[in-house]
Amino acid sequence: EPEVTQTPSHQVTQMGQEVILRCVPISNHLYFYWYRQILGQKVEFLVSFYNNEISEKSEIFDDQFSVERPDGSNFTLKIRSTKLEDSAMYFCASIKMNTEAFFGQGTRLTVV
Amino acid sequence: SQQGEEDPQALSIQEGENATMNCSYKTSINNLQWYRQNSGRGLVHLILIRSNEREKHSGRLRVTLDTSKKSSSLLITASRAADTASYFCATVPGTGGFKTIFGAGTRLFVKA
Repeated sequence: EPEVTQTPSHQVTQMGQEVILRCVPISNHLYFYWYRQILGQKVEFLVSFYNNEISEKSEIFDDQFSVERPDGSNFTLKIRSTKLEDSAMYFCASIKMNTEAFFGQGTRLTVV
Repeated sequence: SQQGEEDPQALSIQEGENATMNCSYKTSINNLQWYRQNSGRGLVHLILIRSNEREKHSGRLRVTLDTSKKSSSLLITASRAADTASYFCATVPGTGGFKTIFGAGTRLFVKA
């Protein structure tokens, strides 16, 4: 069964450093998303990506965040200068159209 | 505004009992989904119900949708200890983009 894969599973970084979280969505899917879940809290929408551009973003997705689909398969989330409060699970998801979202297993980001 | 709020926030039952979780939402939806998350793990899609459907079954799961009340319920019958997890209601708004918006979740604990 096709699945969304995310790497790394766990990333520890120093405050102020840049991190890139990677995702490989399901190949024939059209919409791609990043979500964040701070420990013990709800899953929050960050950004959606369609047709090689951002289609929607939340208030959380400020100038420190960027997304890219550099090679037609990978979908990345970059945080330019990490803060302690960026520590969370980051989930990538993809959908074909009007179906359920398929989520990756997440990357646990710890900013120290 | 909050979209997809579950109640109860936490539920503790004995193995073999049924568990019912409710979800309310505010705006029109394209579809509503239920996800499960084991502690610190990824999101597992359970079931999707479209806005023109009223009830759906999948194994021990039964989901209902009442669009007039903007509410849904998830029933897990004959619960097992392995059902212990957080359950999230998630909606896809009716206005384009297909992003999934999550509620805060219900933490279910099934005692053996």
